[in-house]
Amino acid sequence: DQQVKQNSPSLSVQEGRISILNCDYTNSMFDYFLWYKKYPAEGPTFLISISSIKDKNEDGRFTVFLNKSAKHLSLHIVPSQPGDSAVYFCAASAWGNQFYFGTGTSLTVIP
Amino acid sequence: DTAVSQTPKYLVTQMGNDKSIKCEQNLGHDTMYWYKQDSKKFLKIMFSYNNKELIINETVPNRFSPKSPDKAHLNLHINSLELGDSAVYFCASSQTRVEAFFGQGTRLTVV
Repeated sequence: DQQVKQNSPSLSVQEGRISILNCDYTNSMFDYFLWYKKYPAEGPTFLISISSIKDKNEDGRFTVFLNKSAKHLSLHIVPSQPGDSAVYFCAASAWGNQFYFGTGTSLTVIP
Repeated sequence: DTAVSQTPKYLVTQMGNDKSIKCEQNLGHDTMYWYKQDSKKFLKIMFSYNNKELIINETVPNRFSPKSPDKAHLNLHINSLELGDSAVYFCASSQTRVEAFFGQGTRLTVV
């Protein structure tokens, strides 16, 4: 039973435009959400997170939005750069330290 | 100085063999994890250890066993390897319920 879902396996965006990656979850007990970025042959690296008490968190070009009523979060990257091309994983956690991951979205930023 | 390191990076072995993957973290974190990324790119948690106690054990075959000699190490032992065990295995660690730090992954191929 996949509790965190990323329904778009891939996304292509022109350099300089906005990239929007989406994530849905089913467990209402999740109260902490994270985005990870993964390059080929490397482990995932932490990008940005958001607590359920917020609906937005911004860090430079990256902004995460949380809609608790819809059980949906999104990652906005603006402006997109070729170096942003990677696989992005959404993750969520509830009580305890277990992180549940989505299947990832492969982002390609076209120069 | 790598925060979470796992060895080997690549492992090719025959069916029926027993193998181990080692993981070490120098971050002083209390919790360590093993994740499996299968052919569908889904990152699924296998085990986590907190202060040398197993706190999560998902529905993983008992051929897989985590061994934690100390807080900085969580090794993964796999007995009687099967073709379906081929995957990328990631070790990770975290301190609080914030981001987890991942190793670079071990690509296991069972032939």
